[in-house]
Amino acid sequence: QKEVEQDPGPLSVPEGAIVSLNCTYSNSAFQYFMWYRQYSRKGPELLMYTYSSGNKEDGRFTAQVDKSSKYISLFIRDSQPSDSATYLCAMSRVESGGSNYKLTFGKGTLLTVNP
Amino acid sequence: SQTIHQWPATLVQPVGSPLSLECTVEGTSNPNLYWYRQAAGRGLQLLFYSVGIGQISSEVPQNLSASRPQDRQFILSSKKLLLSDSGFYLCAWIIGTGNGYTFGSGTRLTVV
Repeated sequence: QKEVEQDPGPLSVPEGAIVSLNCTYSNSAFQYFMWYRQYSRKGPELLMYTYSSGNKEDGRFTAQVDKSSKYISLFIRDSQPSDSATYLCAMSRVESGGSNYKLTFGKGTLLTVNP
Repeated sequence: SQTIHQWPATLVQPVGSPLSLECTVEGTSNPNLYWYRQAAGRGLQLLFYSVGIGQISSEVPQNLSASRPQDRQFILSSKKLLLSDSGFYLCAWIIGTGNGYTFGSGTRLTVV
């Protein structure tokens, strides 16, 4: 079983729709959870970061973490064509000695928002 | 403000040629630095990470090596490229506990 599973899509929605992106994980040692957005041929950019179960909201984006179910989600409200990108979930755990943080990524979900 | 620079943006190299990709970070000290490779359909794969000058940890045995000659400089190298080394190479840094990485803009390497 892979440490992080993410549905690769592709996902195509009309402008204004609510988008739900999801990841599951198997390693209970993960403590920090992130969502990255990656436009074509660009490096990933951090969208949301959280370390506790529950919801975190930032504008049109809401990140949800359920540690008991090992499940995280990203919701995009009022989706726009500019949201078209690949969305990557990522998780990290502290390595021994606390000096390093390695991220484990999902494979990404390609989202297209149609005008 | 902190910034990360990565170059070149695109590179086409023949099989068997050497490789050197450079990453530099500005506006911070003693960051953790990382090299990732992103191949189509395979997600982001951690190649190397460094927690300080001269300290390199390898995640995946392969045809590549990394060095950190200065605090804010991270170099990815190969003596002889293979076709399988093609991909999108990303440098990233982090400072502090549990924050997300900041990625560079990436180098798209095609080995022909």
